[in-house]
Amino acid sequence: AQSVTQLGSHVSVSEGALVLLRCNYSSSVPPYLFWYVQYPNQGLQLLLKYTSAATLVKGINGFEAEFKKSETSFHLTKPSAHMSDAAEYFCAVSERSGGSNYKLTFGKGTLLTVNP
Amino acid sequence: DVKVTQSSRYLVKRTGEKVFLECVQDMDHENMFWYRQDPGLGLRLIYFSYDVKMKEKGDIPEGYSVSREKKERFSLILESASTNQTSMYLCASSLLQERQPQHFGDGTRLSIL
Repeated sequence: AQSVTQLGSHVSVSEGALVLLRCNYSSSVPPYLFWYVQYPNQGLQLLLKYTSAATLVKGINGFEAEFKKSETSFHLTKPSAHMSDAAEYFCAVSERSGGSNYKLTFGKGTLLTVNP
Repeated sequence: DVKVTQSSRYLVKRTGEKVFLECVQDMDHENMFWYRQDPGLGLRLIYFSYDVKMKEKGDIPEGYSVSREKKERFSLILESASTNQTSMYLCASSLLQERQPQHFGDGTRLSIL
């Protein structure tokens, strides 16, 4: 069974600093991996996804994530935080669950605070 | 602009009531999903549907049912609401070949008193 662990339920950075949000997964087969962002009072928005092509994936708003199979990690980074990046971020893993169905499992989320 | 629209942002109901949460998408997507979101638990899948009149149970289907009579509309039904169903409910949709929800609605915050 697959699982997703996001290290740190709350991360706080200063504006202009590096953003690093950690995600580790467990999966018995090569997974598809995703990062979503949720701004206050809104639904989720897909930031980026890894689908077994390039291991470094670029997403929207300057975010990127690197798939490291040996570490079973898919950490999300952004070189310079902006106040508008304050939101909750969810890592998710998708694995085939039988037939043509895929099961998506979400992590518990990391709340990012950006300080001026 | 593509949209997933949930009929209510906030809803208050009483224990034992039958509750309907409605979701409509305008993107002609085959897949539609219902999740509930609780603090510290992330998102958990209740039901999903990959075609009209088709449905599959997710991780926590107990106490819920769904209806998909038209491609654009996916309804979540709480047969007899209970206080432990107080939560944020999120609807999502995607194309058939996508392996994950692509577009989410803004959510319905449901309180059961």
